[in-house]
Amino acid sequence: GAGVSQSPSNKVTEKGKDVELRCDPISGHTALYWYRQSLGQGLEFLIYFQGNSAPDKSGLPSDRFSAERTGGSVSTLTIQRTQQEDSAVYLCASSRLFHEQFFGPGTRLTVL
Amino acid sequence: QKEVEQNSGPLSVPEGAIASLNCTYSDRVSQSFFWYRQYSGKSPELIMSIYSNGDKEDGRFTAQLNKASQYVSLLIRDSQPSDSATYLCAVNLFSGGYNKLIFGAGTRLAVHP
Repeated sequence: GAGVSQSPSNKVTEKGKDVELRCDPISGHTALYWYRQSLGQGLEFLIYFQGNSAPDKSGLPSDRFSAERTGGSVSTLTIQRTQQEDSAVYLCASSRLFHEQFFGPGTRLTVL
Repeated sequence: QKEVEQNSGPLSVPEGAIASLNCTYSDRVSQSFFWYRQYSGKSPELIMSIYSNGDKEDGRFTAQLNKASQYVSLLIRDSQPSDSATYLCAVNLFSGGYNKLIFGAGTRLAVHP
């Protein structure tokens, strides 16, 4: 497909477990963004990648959160020792440099 | 002051009316402005982009930009119940050496039959 894809679409985990969320951006998009959206809330910026580097990690809420991007393409967001407050929809977006962002369908994370 | 501000709503309009959604931003040097629509339980979808002062029309949607007053608006003509969604305003800000898109909190629009 031509759009941003994310997997899994839904993830249910137990408190304390680690989870990995994957984002596959639109081909040719050099910029990749991760956001979090809690129920009924706005978008919370987490991290931005330009190529494989992350010039802005300012939105990561704690050191339990990390992300990487390899080959200038796929990105993985990892949450270690998940907490119930991590429950949210995690959205990935990609863009060409300085252009509009296109969002993936999101991963709904539920921490029990 | 928030970088991008929107009235949270809900904005309720009757079917067939014009819905007017407004957004103000704080950074005078911002050059790119976007409107996204987000249906409940779905991800944001880009519906309009505008880069220069004035109006830009696309079907029933018109985006209006006034850089001097630092506001951007979205008009939806002949509103339909299917337009009921949250509308997010986004503004490009060059900060920290890179281009960053700042989102407003969104305005919830309800179009009633």
